[in-house]
Amino acid sequence: DVQMTQSPSSLSASVGDRVTITCRASQSISPYVNWYQQKPGKAPKLLIYAASSLQSGVPSRFSGSGSGTDFTLTISSLQPEDFATYYCQQSFNKRGFGGGTKVEIK
Amino acid sequence: EVQLVESGGGLVQPGGSLRLSCAGSGFIFSSYEVNWVRQAPGKGLEWISYITESGNVIFYADSVKGRFTISRDNAKSSVYLQMNSLRVDDTAVYFCARMGEWNLRLGDPYYHAMDVWGQGTRVTVSS
Repeated sequence: DVQMTQSPSSLSASVGDRVTITCRASQSISPYVNWYQQKPGKAPKLLIYAASSLQSGVPSRFSGSGSGTDFTLTISSLQPEDFATYYCQQSFNKRGFGGGTKVEIK
Repeated sequence: EVQLVESGGGLVQPGGSLRLSCAGSGFIFSSYEVNWVRQAPGKGLEWISYITESGNVIFYADSVKGRFTISRDNAKSSVYLQMNSLRVDDTAVYFCARMGEWNLRLGDPYYHAMDVWGQGTRVTVSS
């Protein structure tokens, strides 16, 4: 099975900062990577599918990139509502998730 | 409104069984793969199973294989997760999620992601 390793596990940032989260797959799976945002007590929300396609209704400050085994989620200018936990997920073989990245207020 | 609603969670003793349900509405349920994903208290998301549109292809995570069974009834727009031989470490919130499908360019394969989620149902395994 494909293993997804996400980093960092947490980060502190300020409103307006550019934030980058990475995910590394145990084998080449491009572009079968998706990104989700989850807030406490809520279901996850799809942000990016197929590595770089923005889900309908998601703000354009979110973007995804990458190929092969290395993928990135970028938030270009962090907003107050973006403080949450982010997960990568692969749909190449079964459906595994990365360990998550908690984005906290600095 | 497109939505998924889980039910069936609760408190069960180790070794016991529970059946979760996931009911869809607002979309053609039989056209979508459905996944179960769980989240233990304070932990990350763990994919545990999926079932394709017709139910003819099913996969499980190793952590639940042989103990959990996924099934669906498209006439009732529902997917089920039968959980047997429950263990303390199965304690979690269980979510069902629809697998959306996109074709970005003619000739490309289809890409899949979990685009609609239920609110989750809590399962507690404890003596």
